[in-house]
Amino acid sequence: GENVEQHPSTLSVQEGDSAVIKCTYSDSASNYFPWYKQELGKRPQLIIDIRSNVGEKKDQRIAVTLNKTAKHFSLHITETQPEDSAVYFCAASNDEIYNQGGKLIFGQGTELSVKP
Amino acid sequence: DAGVTQSPTHLIKTRGQHVTLRCSPISGHKSVSWYQQVLGQGPQFIFQYYEKEERGRGNFPDRFSARQFPNYSSELNVNALLLGDSALYLCASSPVSFTDTQYFGPGTRLTVL
Repeated sequence: GENVEQHPSTLSVQEGDSAVIKCTYSDSASNYFPWYKQELGKRPQLIIDIRSNVGEKKDQRIAVTLNKTAKHFSLHITETQPEDSAVYFCAASNDEIYNQGGKLIFGQGTELSVKP
Repeated sequence: DAGVTQSPTHLIKTRGQHVTLRCSPISGHKSVSWYQQVLGQGPQFIFQYYEKEERGRGNFPDRFSARQFPNYSSELNVNALLLGDSALYLCASSPVSFTDTQYFGPGTRLTVL
């Protein structure tokens, strides 16, 4: 069945360093890949997303890259700050199937800790 | 501009009982999805509704059901609660069924004793 693998499960970096989180998906028909940030006890918040017709997208300190051939996509956070500390989830979906539109398959999450 | 709202915030039930969780989408959004998030894991898809019609269903037993109302709000019902149903239940809304930009509500924390 559909599956999204996410690595690493925990990541600790020094403030100012970069952080990279990687995901692999199984369904080759997936065409939408969002990333969510979830702070303790709060809702998942969309931070960036990418569609399959684009290889890279950047928003200030956050970037996402997509390799459709390898079925990999990654989140890159540069110049990390303590407030970036949270659990990050990748997800994948295929919005072209009538009865599957909107079904997000999530990875297991990465707990990012940014040390001052 | 109000985001997705859910009620109640927390709920404690005992095994065998049933529960109803509620969700109001962002104004103008017509699609609502439900997810279950067990502690330490990513959210798992339960249902998606669009224009009151079920558009997708995840691998959950028939004890789970949902519906969407004319105002696009939604209810998730769980019957015959099991200890394993304890989780954070998240509702997400999106403008239409085929766009995947989903915005999550704060969730309902369900504890089954």
